[in-house]
Amino acid sequence: EDQVTQSPEALRLQEGESSSLNCSYTVSGLRGLFWYRQDPGKGPEFLFTLYSAGEEKEKERLKATLTKKESFLHITAPKPEDSATYLCAVQAEGAQKLVFGQGTRLTINP
Amino acid sequence: GAVVSQHPSRVICKSGTSVKIECRSLDFQATTMFWYRQFPKKSLMLMATSNEGSKATYEQGVEKDKFLINHASLTLSTLTVTSAHPEDSSFYICSARKAVNSYEQYFGPGTRLTVT
Repeated sequence: EDQVTQSPEALRLQEGESSSLNCSYTVSGLRGLFWYRQDPGKGPEFLFTLYSAGEEKEKERLKATLTKKESFLHITAPKPEDSATYLCAVQAEGAQKLVFGQGTRLTINP
Repeated sequence: GAVVSQHPSRVICKSGTSVKIECRSLDFQATTMFWYRQFPKKSLMLMATSNEGSKATYEQGVEKDKFLINHASLTLSTLTVTSAHPEDSSFYICSARKAVNSYEQYFGPGTRLTVT
């Protein structure tokens, strides 16, 4: 069964304090791994898609990396507006649906 | 861009009534749309996958007669919660995929349903 586990469940950082969020996955053939950001009371906002081990993608203060077993979302010098829940999801080969992790609630204190 | 809208954003209905939620892809055609339910501080739970012009595929444990899904066009899918009960109160979110060979799902802003 395809599974996604995110850690930590919650993370509090000071503004400017860089860190990483982890997404471990098991899937029967990876089609893609996706990162989303979700603010309270809103739908998830698409951030990145990673397709193969070794791939990296960047957007502003965020960088996503992928290995055969896990993905990291690195956040560099975060700002309070980066506070949100970050969701990781995988899509298996031949499947249409995404399997989501439980998310990491990130809080950046000014 | 890839903008998905939902209407209404919030709805309150009485127990026993039905409520319809619309999901529209505004700037692209969506061959596949998905409906999710999200409980407070929990991740998204897929309810069903909807392909344009065909019947929706429901996840195990989701009652298809209670949650009616219609995907009549490439830009519109609807979810109707029939005979709603307080336990159906939740945050419902739709997503849309751009094309058959595109993997990203773009999410709507969600609909908060409260059944009294």
